[in-house]
Amino acid sequence: GAGVSQSPSNKVTEKGKDVELRCDPISGHTALYWYRQSLGQGLEFLIYFQGNSAPDKSGLPSDRFSAERTGGSVSTLTIQRTQQEDSAVYLCASSLGWGVTDTQYFGPGTRLTVL
Amino acid sequence: TQLLEQSPQFLSIQEGENLTVYCNSSSVFSSLQWYRQEPGEGPVLLVTVVTGGEVKKLKRLTFQFGDARKDSSLHITAAQPGDTGLYLCAGVLSGAGSYQLTFGKGTKLSVIP
Repeated sequence: GAGVSQSPSNKVTEKGKDVELRCDPISGHTALYWYRQSLGQGLEFLIYFQGNSAPDKSGLPSDRFSAERTGGSVSTLTIQRTQQEDSAVYLCASSLGWGVTDTQYFGPGTRLTVL
Repeated sequence: TQLLEQSPQFLSIQEGENLTVYCNSSSVFSSLQWYRQEPGEGPVLLVTVVTGGEVKKLKRLTFQFGDARKDSSLHITAAQPGDTGLYLCAGVLSGAGSYQLTFGKGTKLSVIP
């Protein structure tokens, strides 16, 4: 079946502009995660959605970052007033459940470049 | 401060050689995972270890979780060019939510034919 898909695959924007990144999780997966992968850094957790529960936003680096998940499926990560340090690959993952044995399946990522 | 330290950061070896990648921490993890990531793709889970001292084998790959659950290693026997990629360890800190993975920076492996 289809895996996690993300769009766009690449996004180049100017400093100060807003961007929206989209994630389509695997159908039926209740948990959805956003991560950021910067050059030379490991994956950094951003936000976690589980079913209808309130999301865990503890990893969002600033209030310029927000995310929502509509209908328990598609998610959008929004970065307002982008800065050059926001340049990174943004990865989305989904899993069937949220236990330690629930595999997170990652999408290919969106490479964001802020000029 | 990086909670999970991976070493080495880069590794370039000849086909057929053996190698070991290490993932170390001063913190205790309730579980630890290893992923492999290829350019332009997301990480793919290789294994999850949950018990201190646990050893898991996946063909030519052997994974070990330290007795104290603070470290892990990945050993590849007779490396192949297809093993080339970025290897990431990730763990769930003891007491943290089971979904909160902490990642190391990765080991970039190149296997030369």
